[in-house]
Amino acid sequence: DTAVSQTPKYLVTQMGNDKSIKCEQNLGHDTMYWYKQDSKKFLKIMFSYNNKELIINETVPNRFSPKSPDKAHLNLHINSLELGDSAVYFCASSPWTDRFSYEQYFGPGTRLTVT
Amino acid sequence: AQTVTQSQPEMSVQEAETVTLSCTYDTSESNYYLFWYKQPPSRQMILVIRQEAYKQQNATENRFSVNFQKAAKSFSLKISDSQLGDTAMYFCAFIHETYGGATNKLIFGTGTLLAVQP
Repeated sequence: DTAVSQTPKYLVTQMGNDKSIKCEQNLGHDTMYWYKQDSKKFLKIMFSYNNKELIINETVPNRFSPKSPDKAHLNLHINSLELGDSAVYFCASSPWTDRFSYEQYFGPGTRLTVT
Repeated sequence: AQTVTQSQPEMSVQEAETVTLSCTYDTSESNYYLFWYKQPPSRQMILVIRQEAYKQQNATENRFSVNFQKAAKSFSLKISDSQLGDTAMYFCAFIHETYGGATNKLIFGTGTLLAVQP
């Protein structure tokens, strides 16, 4: 069984389009995250949600809007896509109360290519 | 601000030999956790090993072990008996301890690309 899943795995689209990436976790975790991995493989957090509430919002353009319909899902919607948005986007989850672990479980990533 | 530095962009090792990947970090926090994640060509992020800062004993997981030097803020990964399947990008990551998890963001280093040669 897949713990953290993302759809789609690959996304190719043109500049100016709007697209969404979906993430689901079946681990029963309360907290979910979006990370961006750029072309140099650098990983950086974008957002975190706890039980549908936005907790972390790093300096991300407001064209990026996360939405959490329930604590098992965290979607990422991107408006007016730009070439610089091309990257791999990772969803991750972790338990809220597991302060003795802090391990985050990652999805397989979505490779977004903007042409 | 917390930072994580991996000074070796690429490394190569012969199969069955031992290799050490370096990582240093900077933080003013006293309670935190350190991780090594592996990212093979499939791009899946896989946790290799974890170290709690309050533990003096170095973590080990089968062929993987760490050398944690808290005073020096150093956290190196040693891979023994390297295997072809160990070929991957390795990321060192830091997270500081807070009550509740949602404010915990993993801060990653820039990665070390390890190639295991047959």
